[in-house]
Amino acid sequence: SQKIEQNSEALNIQEGKTATLTCNYTNYSPAYLQWYRQDPGRGPVFLLLIRENEKEKRKERLKVTFDTTLKQSLFHITASQPADSATYLCALGSMNSGYSTLTFGKGTMLLVSP
Amino acid sequence: DAGVIQSPRHEVTEMGQEVTLRCKPISGHNSLFWYRQTMMRGLELLIYFNNNVPIDDSGMPEDRFSAKMPNASFSTLKIQPSEPRDSAVYFCASKSTAANSPLHFGNGTRLTVT
Repeated sequence: SQKIEQNSEALNIQEGKTATLTCNYTNYSPAYLQWYRQDPGRGPVFLLLIRENEKEKRKERLKVTFDTTLKQSLFHITASQPADSATYLCALGSMNSGYSTLTFGKGTMLLVSP
Repeated sequence: DAGVIQSPRHEVTEMGQEVTLRCKPISGHNSLFWYRQTMMRGLELLIYFNNNVPIDDSGMPEDRFSAKMPNASFSTLKIQPSEPRDSAVYFCASKSTAANSPLHFGNGTRLTVT
């Protein structure tokens, strides 16, 4: 069966360090992958998109990699700040009959301490 | 742009009662999605619409759940009768028709069924 796995344990890091979050999947052939940030009591907010033929994307302090052989995406936040503390969700995009849908992992909570 | 608007933000009801959740998508977005989020199962896709037409409702858990989109600016998710296991946060999201465009989420409705 299809599975998306993100580390269920919270990631605790110190301010200024690089946070790395992992998204692994099985029995999927995603056309693209997206990362979202979710704060308590709020809906997820889109951060980055990476397509199946792309290895890496960057946006300011964020970097995403996508390895379709390993079936894994890594999400990096460099020079992390306490304001980066949130839950980060990966989502795999697939096309069915011409319509695209997203399936989400359960997310990993990131805690950045000052 | 006001974003995706959901109402109510919180709903507490007794088992057996009818519950109606409401969503106003972003103007110009052609696709609308209803998701449910719980700690155990994460974000689950319930149903999605394209140009007001339901495309896939295979995620709707039971016949007690129904969704409508009478026009491009309004959708409802109804649960009748509600049960305690329906307690969750329900999110509405909309997107443009571009294949890998991101989802824009509302801030959800927290439903508690006692």
